[in-house]
Amino acid sequence: QVTLKESGPGMLQPSKTLSLTCSFSGFSLSTSGMVVSWIRQPSGKSLEWLAAIDWDGDKYYNPSLKSRLTVSKDTSNTQVFLKITSVDIADTATYYCARRRRGYSAHYWYFDFWGPGTMVTVSS
Amino acid sequence: DIQMTQSPASLSASLGETVTIECRASEDIYSNLAWYQQKPGNSPQLLIYDANSLADGVPSRFSGSGSGTQYSLKINSLQSEDVASYFCQQYNNYPWTFGGGTKLELK
Repeated sequence: QVTLKESGPGMLQPSKTLSLTCSFSGFSLSTSGMVVSWIRQPSGKSLEWLAAIDWDGDKYYNPSLKSRLTVSKDTSNTQVFLKITSVDIADTATYYCARRRRGYSAHYWYFDFWGPGTMVTVSS
Repeated sequence: DIQMTQSPASLSASLGETVTIECRASEDIYSNLAWYQQKPGNSPQLLIYDANSLADGVPSRFSGSGSGTQYSLKINSLQSEDVASYFCQQYNNYPWTFGGGTKLELK
């Protein structure tokens, strides 16, 4: 059974660095073809794909935010992390981690399992 | 980036009715399109991929169609548990982008 769960600070001040953790089970990120992504959603709004990391350690970033994002994974391949530097109010959102469909095709970039999300509020 | 435009933004329908939600891409996405359902307070769940393939466990009253830049999600015989927001997502061009969403309510 595939499950993912996000954790984060809940609230942080502008200009700080946001650190998020995605813990998952039911699959390993060491398995060939596996990819875990981060996606966010401001309250009442749509979704924005942020970043991803694959089984080989390759990293993918949304160009609009790339300079502020760092995605990484742990050595046990059961956790993925996201750091966002210099946050401001516009980064207030629910942050989701999601598993991409397993495989090698460039057209497998849709998300078949999602975590429940963690809400992050940026406020002074 | 490819812009995904959904219509309508909100929709009110009766139980048993057939509902259609549209999604238009700013350029050809060659059927590399997914639909997600997001119930209030929950995370999105995959409904459809490759424009018309039903994800595992999704009821057959959901169907997807379209090609090029125009796609649609149809819900036959609307059920109360279908009250949700629906989002389309293109994965033809990096970065992957989502539509603005359609909020479906019961009349």
